[in-house]
Amino acid sequence: EVQLVESGGGLVQPGGSLRLSCAASGFTFSSYWMHWVRQAPGKGLVWVSRINSDGSSTSYADSVKGRFTISRDNAKNTLYLQMNSLRAEDTAVYYCARDYQQLVDYWGQGTLVTVSS
Amino acid sequence: EIVLTQSPDFQSVTPKEKVTITCRASQSIGSSLHWYQQKPDQSPKLLIKYASQSFSGVPSRFSGSGSGTDFTLTINSLEAEDAATYYCHQSSSLPLTFGQGTKVEIK
Repeated sequence: EVQLVESGGGLVQPGGSLRLSCAASGFTFSSYWMHWVRQAPGKGLVWVSRINSDGSSTSYADSVKGRFTISRDNAKNTLYLQMNSLRAEDTAVYYCARDYQQLVDYWGQGTLVTVSS
Repeated sequence: EIVLTQSPDFQSVTPKEKVTITCRASQSIGSSLHWYQQKPDQSPKLLIKYASQSFSGVPSRFSGSGSGTDFTLTINSLEAEDAATYYCHQSSSLPLTFGQGTKVEIK
């Protein structure tokens, strides 16, 4: 069974940093591209970032480019999202998700990030 | 950026009724359109991939159709457990984008 478990969310002040983690199990993590997708409270889904299977290629939404960094540790079956220079508009539930044949098939349960003073 | 526009935004439906949700893309995306179901306080779940292919374990009352710019999700004989928000999603090009969502309420 595919399992994705996010952690690391919390309350952070504007301008602060946070690192999210996603522990993967139930599949060969090193063979799959992975994504981060976020959802502001009461709003829709917004794609944030993607990384290829060996971590050599990454892509970002314009809204987070230069502030967020996606990475992975295949030895630990873990995906990361380093978030710097956080803004109020980054407040959202952040989902880790698996890529299969260029679509998102499985999602984690999400971790809430709140940016507020 | 490819914009996906869903209609309607909200639908109130009685059980056993048929539900149709449409998704229009701002440019042609072939069949790279997928549908998700999200229930309150849950993460999204994949229902239909590549416009018309059912994902593993999804009930047969869910089906999808379309190509190019116009797509449809159909729920035949709605059940109470289908109350949720439904999103379309394109994987044709970056940035990946989602529709704004269609909330389906059970009367």
